[in-house]
Parts: sequence; structure tokens; C-alpha cells
Amino acid sequence: EVQLVESGGGLVQPGGSLRLSCAASGFTFSSYWMHWVRQAPGKGLVWVSHISTDGSRTAYTDSVKGRFTVSRENAKNTLYLQMNSLRAEDTAVYYCSNGLASWGQGTLVTVSS
Amino acid sequence: QAVVTQEPSLTVSPGGTVTLTCGSSTGAVTSGHYPYWFQRKPGQAPRTLIYDTSNKHSWTPARFSGSLLGGKAALTLSGAQPEDEAEYYCLLSYSGTWVFGGGTKLTVL
Repeated sequence: EVQLVESGGGLVQPGGSLRLSCAASGFTFSSYWMHWVRQAPGKGLVWVSHISTDGSRTAYTDSVKGRFTVSRENAKNTLYLQMNSLRAEDTAVYYCSNGLASWGQGTLVTVSS
Repeated sequence: QAVVTQEPSLTVSPGGTVTLTCGSSTGAVTSGHYPYWFQRKPGQAPRTLIYDTSNKHSWTPARFSGSLLGGKAALTLSGAQPEDEAEYYCLLSYSGTWVFGGGTKLTVL
């Protein structure tokens, strides 16, 4: 059974940093492009980033470019999202997905003073 | 960045058929946008129903189907069930990035 478990969310002040993790199991992690998607309170889904199977290719939505960095450790079956210079508008539940097939339950990031 | 448009809300009768659409500000949606469709219920993780225009996962109910229709991606629900009441999101690929539509709130009533 595919399992994706996000962690690392929490309350952070504007301008601060957080690193999200996504622990994967039940599938061959190294064979899948991995994605981060977020949903702000009362808003729709927003695609945030993806990373290729070997980590050599990444892409980001415009609003997070230069602030967020996606990475992965295939040996640990783990996906990461380093979030810097956080803004109030980054407040959301962040989900990871394996190739846009299965999804984790999400981790809540709240950016507030 | 492209804008992806969906109907804000639709209503379907139990047992009825409804088609949700997904348009692109850049022009016609094609198979090259690799359209995806997701179902979202409150308090639950998204569930992927359709990928690459019309392909289903093993968990996708047979009553859901995907297609291209009139320059848009389309999700058709045939024989709506009460449990299909949810938000539905499409997702399109644009040269290596992805953009979600704003979602369609589907009511089964």
C-alpha cells in the first residue's frame, strides 16, 4: 500500500524558514517524479513544485521561485521542501504526491506573527 | 503564468449525467497538457481520478470518464451517486510546470 506522510509543518513568523519532509513507502520511490501541492484555507489547490526521479530537474510555481527548494533522498525514500522567506500567503496545507497518483494527508504551515 | 478555468459550481440529480470542463487561457487544451482530474472532499486528501486526459486509476469508479471536448478537457460523471458530491479540480501541464483550475463544486441533489 502506498503511504506518503508529510511532516515539518507548524507556526513560523514572516520571513522565517521551515523544511517539510515526505516519507514514502509502498512503492519504488526512486522511480517517481514527486510533487508538492498546497491548499490555503478556503482556497483551491495550487501546484507548488516537482522533482525528477534522480533530483536533477526541478520546477516551481512563480510565487515560490527563489524562496522554496525541493530535494529528495532516494536512499531514504524521502522528499523535502525547504521554504525560506515565508510570507503570510504561504499559509496552507502542503501535500506531497508520487507522480500525481497518490497523496499524503498533508501538513499545515502557518505563517503569522 | 497560464490561467486554468473551471465552472465554479454545478448540480446533478442522483443517477444523472454531468460534464465538468477545464479551459486554458493559452488556447485549446490538448493531450499535450496531460490533463488530470482530482476529487476533493472536506478533510480528505485529494484523490486522482483521471490522468493524461482519459486514463483511470484502479480506484477510479467506472462512472467517471475523461476526454477532450470543444477545446477543453472534460470530466463526465454518468450515473451520479450521493458520494460524488465534492470539489473537482483539473490540472494542466505547461512546458514543465503545472497549473490547477479553480475547482468545481459539484452538488448531487
